[in-house]
Amino acid sequence: GAVVSQHPSRVICKSGTSVKIECRSLDFQATTMFWYRQFPKQSLMLMATSNEGSKATYEQGVEKDKFLINHASLTLSTLTVTSAHPEDSSFYICSARIGARFYGYTFGSGTRLTVV
Amino acid sequence: QKEVEQDPGPLSVPEGAIVSLNCTYSNSAFQYFMWYRQYSRKGPELLMYTYSSGNKEDGRFTAQVDKSSKYISLFIRDSQPSDSATYLCATYAGGTSYGKLTFGQGTILTVHP
Repeated sequence: GAVVSQHPSRVICKSGTSVKIECRSLDFQATTMFWYRQFPKQSLMLMATSNEGSKATYEQGVEKDKFLINHASLTLSTLTVTSAHPEDSSFYICSARIGARFYGYTFGSGTRLTVV
Repeated sequence: QKEVEQDPGPLSVPEGAIVSLNCTYSNSAFQYFMWYRQYSRKGPELLMYTYSSGNKEDGRFTAQVDKSSKYISLFIRDSQPSDSATYLCATYAGGTSYGKLTFGQGTILTVHP
């Protein structure tokens, strides 16, 4: 089945530093990748949608200069949290649409970011 | 009002019970309906998806969609402790919605031996 590999699974960084999270589609081409944020015991909050070769589209209230998204190829999308602060600590998950027809979406395994 | 409403639970059932999970939605443009299972500290895993109204069965899982009442359900038969997870319903309008999924809050399910 379609697999999205997300790394790292867990990262701890110091306040003020930047962190990059990668998502790779292993056996399919992900023309569109979605990035979510999830707080404990809450649902997923869509942060942005990225299309290969285009600028990402951010949801209202999401700082695009803080959460940099790059989707340079059909198999790789990255999220960089710049100048991270403790309030950025969260669970970040990527998701890709499977194919041109709708067969649901496949998610990465998530990245637990802790900013200290 | 949220576009997709889901009772967060928590729901606790004994092993072997039939579990019923439900969501309601308000946007009649939604055409695709999905159920995801999410274990703690993991990404959501697609269980089933359906298009429009009707039933779909896959092993112990049955998904139902009633578009007339805007109601979607997931039934789990012979529940197992390994089914303990958070279950998220999600919808998709298709067309010009740019691929965005709309999620319910998620229901925390515990199946105890």
